[in-house]
Amino acid sequence: AQKITQTQPGMFVQEKEAVTLDCTYDTSDPSYGLFWYKQPSSGEMIFLIYQGSYDQQNATEGRYSLNFQKARKSANLVISASQLGDSAMYFCAMREGPLFGNEKLTFGTGTRLTIIP
Amino acid sequence: DGGITQSPKYLFRKEGQNVTLSCEQNLNHDAMYWYRQDPGQGLRLIYYSQIVNDFQKGDIAEGYSVSREKKESFPLTVTSAQKNPTAFYLCASSTVLDRYNEQFFGPGTRLTVL
Repeated sequence: AQKITQTQPGMFVQEKEAVTLDCTYDTSDPSYGLFWYKQPSSGEMIFLIYQGSYDQQNATEGRYSLNFQKARKSANLVISASQLGDSAMYFCAMREGPLFGNEKLTFGTGTRLTIIP
Repeated sequence: DGGITQSPKYLFRKEGQNVTLSCEQNLNHDAMYWYRQDPGQGLRLIYYSQIVNDFQKGDIAEGYSVSREKKESFPLTVTSAQKNPTAFYLCASSTVLDRYNEQFFGPGTRLTVL
């Protein structure tokens, strides 16, 4: 079974609208972390946001927020007020195990987001 | 400016040749990683190192080799045993001193086998 599933290969969104990128995960480890990365056409991966399995509140970083539904094993990324510069590939990734001592990440296949002016 | 550098940006190799991809970081990070990215797929872990002179295989280590003689450097050699080496290769590093222990990535090397 896939550990990280991103079911939206591509999305088109009008500028200034909010967008939700889906991510579901599969793990039996009670301690894990979920990351979202952005990959522009240049290729470099940019860290956006992190959610720990024991975090009580959903993570937020500026225009990015994470809709964490633990029982459903989903960690959707929400981008508010989308901008043209948000056009990129977005990857969800998971670390299984505690925050320190196990840095291995498993990545999903990504979602290509295109913002339309 | 602190960061991760990878060289070269583009690399062409003939079949049967070994080639080494460079990865250098000046972030003082202990851990370093190599990933491979194929079109339409996410990143897959090749090798990682948590400390100098020590490294572990990732999910797709066959046909690759690494060394970690210095904290700042983690070169990856793609050997002739790698059956399909054409891909985009990304190097990353991390430190437990960062709040989320997140990985920072370099700009990548695109390898093409002719």
